[in-house]
Amino acid sequence: SYELTQPPSVSVSPGQTARITCSGDALPQRYAFWYQQKSGQAPVLVIFDDTKRPSGIPERFSGSSSGTMATLTITGAQVDDEADYYCYSTDSSNYHVVFGGGTKLTVL
Amino acid sequence: QITLKESGPKLVKPTQTLTLTCSFSGFSLSTTGVGVGWIRQSPGKALECLALIYWNDDKRYRPSLKSRLTVTRDTSKNQVVLTMTDMDSVDTAKYYCTHSSNCTGAGCLPHQHWGQGIQVTVSS
Repeated sequence: SYELTQPPSVSVSPGQTARITCSGDALPQRYAFWYQQKSGQAPVLVIFDDTKRPSGIPERFSGSSSGTMATLTITGAQVDDEADYYCYSTDSSNYHVVFGGGTKLTVL
Repeated sequence: QITLKESGPKLVKPTQTLTLTCSFSGFSLSTTGVGVGWIRQSPGKALECLALIYWNDDKRYRPSLKSRLTVTRDTSKNQVVLTMTDMDSVDTAKYYCTHSSNCTGAGCLPHQHWGQGIQVTVSS
């Protein structure tokens, strides 16, 4: 079955840029989506269609995709951005959806 | 305002069938591009998408669980029901229902709205 691979953890200091990657064989043909999940809360969609932000999501969140890797970038990360981040996409047939394993972002 | 709420048993025994209901408001599952999903998360684990049902009754299931899952909708009641057979302790998780919109191509907003989730424990 199709898989998306993320690093288990990323750590940055406040104000630095955090980059979280997601690799998958179908990403050259399929959009990547990103979700933020803070402790004890439901996830929030922060990036759709590789690069777009839903309304209400701060501009410091951005997305990019190149080849088999999608990247979520948080420019000027804040302590409040500490969370688990999940990428999401579909397989090459565009039929089955999958979440990545998640990346714990620490900002301290 | 879009809201979703999951309901069902919080405790099931091994081998039993789990039936969860997602009751929603603020949208119609008859509207083109709209979908309702079921996602679960075991303690300390990643999100897993179990099933999706779309406005056109297209249904998608997690391949590894397909034989155990059924998703149905009652458009008149604004409800989506997930059944999962042969429950096991590994199915202990928080189960969420979600709303997706504009899912006819590019611009899809998958799982943009989430219910609060229901914690389901499988134990004898």
